[in-house]
Amino acid sequence: NAGVTQTPKFQVLKTGQSMTLQCAQDMNHEYMSWYRQDPGMGLRLIHYSVGAGITDQGEVPNGYNVSRSTTEDFPLRLLSAAPSQTSVYFCASSPRQAANTGELFFGEGSRLTVL
Amino acid sequence: AQSVSQHNHHVILSEAASLELGCNYSYGGTVNLFWYVQYPGQHLQLLLKYFSGDPLVKGIKGFEAEFIKSKFSFNLRKPSVQWSDTAEYFCAVKIGTGRRALTFGSGTRLQVQP
Repeated sequence: NAGVTQTPKFQVLKTGQSMTLQCAQDMNHEYMSWYRQDPGMGLRLIHYSVGAGITDQGEVPNGYNVSRSTTEDFPLRLLSAAPSQTSVYFCASSPRQAANTGELFFGEGSRLTVL
Repeated sequence: AQSVSQHNHHVILSEAASLELGCNYSYGGTVNLFWYVQYPGQHLQLLLKYFSGDPLVKGIKGFEAEFIKSKFSFNLRKPSVQWSDTAEYFCAVKIGTGRRALTFGSGTRLQVQP
């Protein structure tokens, strides 16, 4: 039972480069989301999706794009990386029945450094 | 804007000491409350949750938390910590219904010394 899988686990980019963080879940969860974790600031919501074809912005969406073409996958794209995007990124999902409870299932995280 | 405050940023305890980590939130309506734990090198895992009912909730590994509505608090407790409890602990709040996003506190790093 893989749960929520994120790749890569580590990545170093130069300013201006682009990349995609992958997130896949095998639990048929309808809700998927991306958070970033920064020291002293906890986790902040970047983008989320309530189902295939539906995405919306969270608290800190600038500089990031997402798409949800399938239920399983929710990639996060950085089109032009900036040092301010150095962070640890977490993908999280939850099933339909958790819509009113908020419980999330997290991936292991992707540590991104932008030089 | 709603916020979640964790006042203890770094806590160092010896094994067998008692633990209490504070969590306060700023929202007057219906909330669901969570504590997540992140062990070194691992993903966030749910420690315990409160939705309704008994305000004293018990989670995994001997942890418990008490929801005090009048104080907008959801403090995490454990009577006797172990070295394996070394981790970062996050309090999180979901407000109202319909939205699934959680608002997280800044986290508390717990270091348990053997």
